[in-house]
Amino acid sequence: DSGVTQTPKHLITATGQRVTLRCSPRSGDLSVYWYQQSLDQGLQFLIQYYNGEERAKGNILERFSAQQFPDLHSELNLSSLELGDSALYFCASSLNSGYNEQFFGPGTRLTVL
Amino acid sequence: GENVEQHPSTLSVQEGDSAVIKCTYSDSASNYFPWYKQELGKGPQLIIDIRSNVGEKKDQRIAVTLNKTAKHFSLHITETQPEDSAVYFCAASSNAGGTSYGKLTFGQGTILTVHP
Repeated sequence: DSGVTQTPKHLITATGQRVTLRCSPRSGDLSVYWYQQSLDQGLQFLIQYYNGEERAKGNILERFSAQQFPDLHSELNLSSLELGDSALYFCASSLNSGYNEQFFGPGTRLTVL
Repeated sequence: GENVEQHPSTLSVQEGDSAVIKCTYSDSASNYFPWYKQELGKGPQLIIDIRSNVGEKKDQRIAVTLNKTAKHFSLHITETQPEDSAVYFCAASSNAGGTSYGKLTFGQGTILTVHP
């Protein structure tokens, strides 16, 4: 158990809908990262937050957004969902920004029908 | 941006044999190289990592080597056991330019199967 929690574990929804994925980092970690894992794209970095502020952005679609709250938990919002958004979404946390160890949560499996 | 290539994509060994997985990276500014193990239905688990000021690191049956000049790093698992069967990912990260961000760029993964 990495200490990173993610909810929900599974999410099934329809095209065009909006969903919110939630992540709680390990106790004491200030940085949260979101990754998408799909069969064709592999593990791809989406976005990073550090102590409430956006720090780095990767291949994140404009339909997707994220935020980190004062209690350091983070939410990833996916809107206008398409079939191709079906994937595993992982959250990871690290002590601070930079090249510290990142610990991954169990993921949320999103299925868009 | 960074590009990480990982080989082989699948690796099958007998229990007790050694397994080696290799990765190359493109960005010379990368300075942190972790390895993750992912079991079915679970998130990636950090198993070992190495920083660019070190050439080799060992942790029991697992070792990682780094060649900065050639821009490649490798994972070595000795005395493999069936429970080592999983997907292994290498990754690279950089905090160049003072931005101090730590996003990981992952390789494509290696499916390791250890036969009893």
